[in-house]
Amino acid sequence: KQEVTQIPAALSVPEGENLVLNCSFTDSAIYNLQWFRQDPGKGLTSLLLIQSSQREQTSGRLNASLDKSSGRSTLYIAASQPGDSATYLCACMTTDSWGKLQFGAGTQVVVTP
Amino acid sequence: ETGVTQTPRHLVMGMTNKKSLKCEQHLGHNAMYWYKQSAKKPLELMFVYSLEERVENNSVPSRFSPECPNSSHLFLHLHTLQPEDSALYLCASRGYTGELFFGEGSRLTVL
Repeated sequence: KQEVTQIPAALSVPEGENLVLNCSFTDSAIYNLQWFRQDPGKGLTSLLLIQSSQREQTSGRLNASLDKSSGRSTLYIAASQPGDSATYLCACMTTDSWGKLQFGAGTQVVVTP
Repeated sequence: ETGVTQTPRHLVMGMTNKKSLKCEQHLGHNAMYWYKQSAKKPLELMFVYSLEERVENNSVPSRFSPECPNSSHLFLHLHTLQPEDSALYLCASRGYTGELFFGEGSRLTVL
């Protein structure tokens, strides 16, 4: 069974610093990996989707890498801002027919002004 | 705005009540999901529907009953719930790239 782990569980950085969020997974047979952002009491907002054949994806200040052989993905957020404060979740999609996402517990990020 | 709408956003119910959660998407997707998010726990998959057919029931108690009348709508019928069922219930639909789009969730409190 796929297990997804996110370290650290919480992170606090001053504004302007780069953020590095880690995600590891136990089964490398994934269809894709997705990073989400969740604000308190809200739903999940998709940030980046990396297909299993890709090594990285970029969107603005966000960059996510994928290394299937080592079972790891890293989300980089450049020049952090207070508005980046949220919980970040990574999720692996299984390769079975129905594409189930297995989630990590998330990293809670606080960016201080 | 993700294109996935959930109602109601908040629901308080007693243990003997019957209520339903609704999810609607007009993204043209043909797979929809119910997830449960409890405090301090990772999201748990509850049900998966593909082309209106339930293809996954992740050992969910029978007091939760899903319904998918068409590819745009998904319901979660609730009856005789327990206080430990209090959680945020999230609906998602899957695009053709495999990307999941989530609604804002329905916050359920069982008294």
